[in-house]
Amino acid sequence: EPEVTQTPSHQVTQMGQEVILRCVPISNHLYFYWYRQILGQKVEFLVSFYNNEISEKSEIFDDQFSVERPDGSNFTLKIRSTKLEDSAMYFCASSEVMTSGSRQFFGPGTRLTVL
Amino acid sequence: AQSVSQHNHHVILSEAASLELGCNYSYGGTVNLFWYVQYPGQHLQLLLKYFSGDPLVKGIKGFEAEFIKSKFSFNLRKPSVQWSDTAEYFCAVNARDGTASKLTFGTGTRLQVTL
Repeated sequence: EPEVTQTPSHQVTQMGQEVILRCVPISNHLYFYWYRQILGQKVEFLVSFYNNEISEKSEIFDDQFSVERPDGSNFTLKIRSTKLEDSAMYFCASSEVMTSGSRQFFGPGTRLTVL
Repeated sequence: AQSVSQHNHHVILSEAASLELGCNYSYGGTVNLFWYVQYPGQHLQLLLKYFSGDPLVKGIKGFEAEFIKSKFSFNLRKPSVQWSDTAEYFCAVNARDGTASKLTFGTGTRLQVTL
């Protein structure tokens, strides 16, 4: 089965630093998502992306966050100035279509630790 | 907005025991329902999903779930668990109205199967 990949698996950064989390979605998928899971809490939706535009974002996804598809394969999440509360597992997902029933394929996650 | 509750946070079972994990959702409209599993060190994988039709849904690895609309529930079951079922299980929903496909997850249930 095709897989979504994410790098790095673990990122440690100092508060206030910028981080970029990288994802390679499944090659024929057109819709991309970021979710995060703070330790002990729910997996939360951050943003969805299609055709080089944000389709939907949650209230968590403030001006500190941005997403980009810089080339034909990568999908990145940038946090401009990290805060302690950004420490979480970040999951990328992709799907072929963006109807409500579409299957989303998830990557293994990047654990972000902000010190 | 939709929400999902998973009441069992950590379940420990012996091999061959039967499993039932609870999932309740809250939403005023029609939803699609999903169960995802995350094995240790791996990514979230879809176990099964319900869109419409027969409320008893069968998924991979012998898992099934039953949608009970009157109870807003979508409990996951397996008649006889194996050690390899040790994982974290997440119930998720998305709204079927419109094209929004963001998933709303529960907090997850950690299943530990002992030999």
